[in-house]
Amino acid sequence: QVQLVQSGAEVKKPGASVKVSCKASGYTFTSYYMHWVRQAPGQGLDWMGIINPVDGSTTYAQQLLGRVTMTRDTSTSTVYVELSSLRSEDTAVYYCAKGGRWELIDHWGQGTLVTVSS
Amino acid sequence: QSALTQPASVSGSPGQSITISCTGTSSDVGGYNYVSWYQQHPGKAPKLMIFDVSNRPSGLSYRFSGSKSGNTASLAISGLQAEDEAHYYCSSYTSSNAVVFGGGTKLTVL
Repeated sequence: QVQLVQSGAEVKKPGASVKVSCKASGYTFTSYYMHWVRQAPGQGLDWMGIINPVDGSTTYAQQLLGRVTMTRDTSTSTVYVELSSLRSEDTAVYYCAKGGRWELIDHWGQGTLVTVSS
Repeated sequence: QSALTQPASVSGSPGQSITISCTGTSSDVGGYNYVSWYQQHPGKAPKLMIFDVSNRPSGLSYRFSGSKSGNTASLAISGLQAEDEAHYYCSSYTSSNAVVFGGGTKLTVL
């Protein structure tokens, strides 16, 4: 069965960067896109972008351009999202989510809480 | 990209039926049959309930159904059960080559 296992919670200071990992198993890693979605406390879901595990190509949400980088390691079936210049508004649970197709998210990781606080 | 518009809350009694709407524009909901619905219980990751407007993933209860008319998609839940109480989010592919979510709807089973 599909499993997406994410790294543990992080606490960062404003201005710092954070990198969250997501290890996939139970399917062919290079056959499906991977999305990243975040959810601020008590708020809705916010799409961050998508990565193609085959060639590493990415599409990022407009509001995060310049601060977000998504990468992958095909040898370990792991994807990463890095967010720089952190501010308090970036405090959220970050989810990786497998794309059944480019536009379809069909499985979600367990989430990683990132807290930005001075 | 503005979030899709959903009612903040809906409620119903066990056994009843409810509908949750999701309104977008011709650049997202109205332009593509790529609307999905997700259920999220407190402290848990979202779960796919409906994809491509009206398709259910394998094994999902027939009590959940989806539809679309113009720029508005809808999720219907029949025979409400206590375990249906959760937040529900719609999403759509957009003409900007992105995904946009709705603001979420809290379903309360009375």
